[in-house]
Amino acid sequence: DSGVTQTPKHLITATGQRVTLRCSPRSGDLSVYWYQQSLDQGLQFLIHYYNGEERAKGNILERFSAQQFPDLHSELNLSSLELGDSALYFCASSVGTRLYNEQFFGPGTRLTVL
Amino acid sequence: AQTVTQSQPEMSVQEAETVTLSCTYDTSESDYYLFWYKQPPSRQMILVIRQEAYKQQNATENRFSVNFQKAAKSFSLKISDSQLGDAAMYFCAHGGGSQGNLIFGKGTKLSVKP
Repeated sequence: DSGVTQTPKHLITATGQRVTLRCSPRSGDLSVYWYQQSLDQGLQFLIHYYNGEERAKGNILERFSAQQFPDLHSELNLSSLELGDSALYFCASSVGTRLYNEQFFGPGTRLTVL
Repeated sequence: AQTVTQSQPEMSVQEAETVTLSCTYDTSESDYYLFWYKQPPSRQMILVIRQEAYKQQNATENRFSVNFQKAAKSFSLKISDSQLGDAAMYFCAHGGGSQGNLIFGKGTKLSVKP
């Protein structure tokens, strides 16, 4: 158990819908990273938040957005869902922003868009 | 742009034998880290080992060791005395710069034969 929690574990929805994925980092960790794992694209970095502020963006679609709240939990919002958005979404947390701060991954949320 | 390449989609090893997984990377960063993550069927991402680029000594963690060739931008993982529980997807990852996010390879699926 990494100490990072993600809810829900599984999510099935239809095209065009909007969903919210939630991540609670390990106690004391200020950074949250979101990654998407799909069969065709592999593991891709989406976005990074540190202590409530956006720090970096990766290959995140405009239909996707995220935020980190004062209690440090983070939410990833996916809207106008398409079949290709079906994937495993991971969040990871770390103490700081530097690479020597190990990233601990949550168990992931499996999103299926029908 | 940073890239990570794993040229072996699948590998197989006999239990108790040794196997080496290959990884090459490209980066313009001078300060970076390299990682190997294990993803078993549970889908949990587990950090196996990490290497700091400025350290010449190869990292080791019990049965896991790396061969880091900085000039060749090569970072292979050696698993000694392979166990059935080592069967998983293995991802090589690069992290560098100020953003802190990881760039992953496509992964190598390792099978362990009893």
